[in-house]
Amino acid sequence: KNEVEQSPQNLTAQEGEFITINCSYSVGISALHWLQQHPGGGIVSLFMLSSGKKKHGRLIATINIQEKHSSLHITASHPRDSAVYICALHMNRDDKIIFGKGTRLHILP
Amino acid sequence: DAGVIQSPRHEVTEMGQEVTLRCKPISGHDYLFWYRQTMMRGLELLIYFNNNVPIDDSGMPEDRFSAKMPNASFSTLKIQPSEPRDSAVYFCASKEGSQPQHFGDGTRLSIL
Repeated sequence: KNEVEQSPQNLTAQEGEFITINCSYSVGISALHWLQQHPGGGIVSLFMLSSGKKKHGRLIATINIQEKHSSLHITASHPRDSAVYICALHMNRDDKIIFGKGTRLHILP
Repeated sequence: DAGVIQSPRHEVTEMGQEVTLRCKPISGHDYLFWYRQTMMRGLELLIYFNNNVPIDDSGMPEDRFSAKMPNASFSTLKIQPSEPRDSAVYFCASKEGSQPQHFGDGTRLSIL
């Protein structure tokens, strides 16, 4: 069983829709990281969180430590939000990171 | 700050050749990570350094891969000899303490 699972793998939505991307994990973590990778390939850090909720503009990330689950929400989605969103786990036991396979999001104009 | 700087951005070479990828971390960052990204396997950690010392290289695929960090401002990832299955995008990232990692733009490597 994979230590981290993301869903959905692919998501196509219309501009303006509310988007939710999920990340479930099975190991002890010190923090969870949401990354964004645009078609050009660069990786940008969106959030790092270990509890509760964080918000930045139209992006909201939540984490439930007990349920070992995190969600990334995008409100009023826009075509420029089209990217791959990757969930990454900061492990309790060391400084390593385990990555999810990513969710490919495509927002149609 | 210029961010994490990787070079080259693209590398195309024939199998059997030595390949050297370079990374300059953000000044003041004490951790440096090398990752590989492929379509099949996604992002994978290869090796990471703390204060220039390799901490965990268990992700390095085999002896053909080696990484060094001679000082706080420079690291290399070397593949010798290269094989077509090494074709991937290689990312370097750095961080300070428990802060989020900052990623370079990656090196797209193609081994023919």
